Amino acid sequence: EAGVAQSPRYKIIEKRQSVAFWCNPISGHATLYWYQQILGQGPKLLIQFQNNGVVDDSQLPKDRFSAERLKGVDSTLKIQPAKLEDSAVYLCASSLDLRGNYGYTFGSGTRLTVV
Amino acid sequence: AQKITQTQPGMFVQEKEAVTLDCTYDTSDQSYGLFWYKQPSSGEMIFLIYQGSYDEQNATEGRYSLNFQKARKSANLVISASQLGDSAMYFCAMSYSRLNSGGSNYKLTFGKGTLLTVNP
Repeated sequence: EAGVAQSPRYKIIEKRQSVAFWCNPISGHATLYWYQQILGQGPKLLIQFQNNGVVDDSQLPKDRFSAERLKGVDSTLKIQPAKLEDSAVYLCASSLDLRGNYGYTFGSGTRLTVV
Repeated sequence: AQKITQTQPGMFVQEKEAVTLDCTYDTSDQSYGLFWYKQPSSGEMIFLIYQGSYDEQNATEGRYSLNFQKARKSANLVISASQLGDSAMYFCAMSYSRLNSGGSNYKLTFGKGTLLTVNP
């Protein structure tokens, strides 16, 4: 089966600019996650979707970050305006259901550099 | 609060030897899951092994085994016969349930990782 697809692979922007990342999960996976991984740290959950609804966005900086999964399949994560501290790898993951007992599959990530 | 601790920032091992990567966790939940992921320099997170809190047998997947000691709240990863391609970051993670307005949800939280270097 195809894995979790993410694009772009790399992005460099200036601070205060906006940027968007795209994720297409594994077909049939109802739950989709966006993680932020700052260099030298483990991934931190930003937002979790179940189909097209938000389950958890408690750690999403909502003043600048937004995410949507309109049709319950692919998703976009947007940052506007970007800050230097947003430089990180943004990982998308999906799982068959909310329990995640069948595992979580991650994409290759988007490496964002804010200068 | 749920927490994963990986105390080894970096580990070195000789090719073909075994290595143990440490992971301890903190939770008051009875039901949870423990995962290990490998992250090469290319960035993708590769699933290695899973252990459920109610599983009595230690999980094994090829050269990977999980040494699960529930009373000590530890879930160490053992890699047997290390290969040069095993050089990567390794993350321990725990899934646990939380109630929210929509019902029961499972969250996946990660440790800070251990950088494993396999020497020829």
